[in-house]
Amino acid sequence: GAVVSQHPSWVICKSGTSVKIECRSLDFQATTMFWYRQFPKQSLMLMATSNEGSKATYEQGVEKDKFLINHASLTLSTLTVTSAHPEDSSFYICSASDFRNYNEQFFGPGTRLTVL
Amino acid sequence: DAKTTQPPSMDCAEGRAANLPCNHSTISGNEYVYWYRQIHSQGPQYIIHGLKNNETNEMASLIITEDRKSSTLILPHATLRDTAVYYCIVRVSGDDKIIFGKGTRLHILP
Repeated sequence: GAVVSQHPSWVICKSGTSVKIECRSLDFQATTMFWYRQFPKQSLMLMATSNEGSKATYEQGVEKDKFLINHASLTLSTLTVTSAHPEDSSFYICSASDFRNYNEQFFGPGTRLTVL
Repeated sequence: DAKTTQPPSMDCAEGRAANLPCNHSTISGNEYVYWYRQIHSQGPQYIIHGLKNNETNEMASLIITEDRKSSTLILPHATLRDTAVYYCIVRVSGDDKIIFGKGTRLHILP
């Protein structure tokens, strides 16, 4: 149990376009999901906390209007990178809290975004 | 900022026990010690967590010192598939946000 999926696993887009990344908890309901970003050879950086049915809480320095987060159901959260630029190229990872396992976070496999 | 300190890298021979240290001298009484690992180009994987007692599961053992200021993650019989970056985290509960430090890059040598 406690499987989290992400779609797509990788995406290449042109500068100025928007990209949507989906995060799904496959076998459990997650009231809280988290979004992270990871640049090459660096650690994961928390971007925002997403709660089902409410607005996401963004970490300091993360632009909420650029990284739109929607958590419309207990099994799905989406991250939309709007007007993407090459500096947004990164590995985006989500996690979901499983109340059956002490609310432990389980991570998705990540989405690699390349903006040309 | 991360509240833990870990060596940037370690080597371990295949089949031997890998002992990964972590210092968390400012840990609060209600904070747990968590360990995750990230294999290259994958999402992090939960390994184990504990409060003050030593813990063991099918993946690893966690040894926490009596003063809780440091801990050691033990992989009893390391394999090449254990090559990864290992993160030691302190936090209050499972759904509390995770602040990742730089972790320890573990190399398993054949």
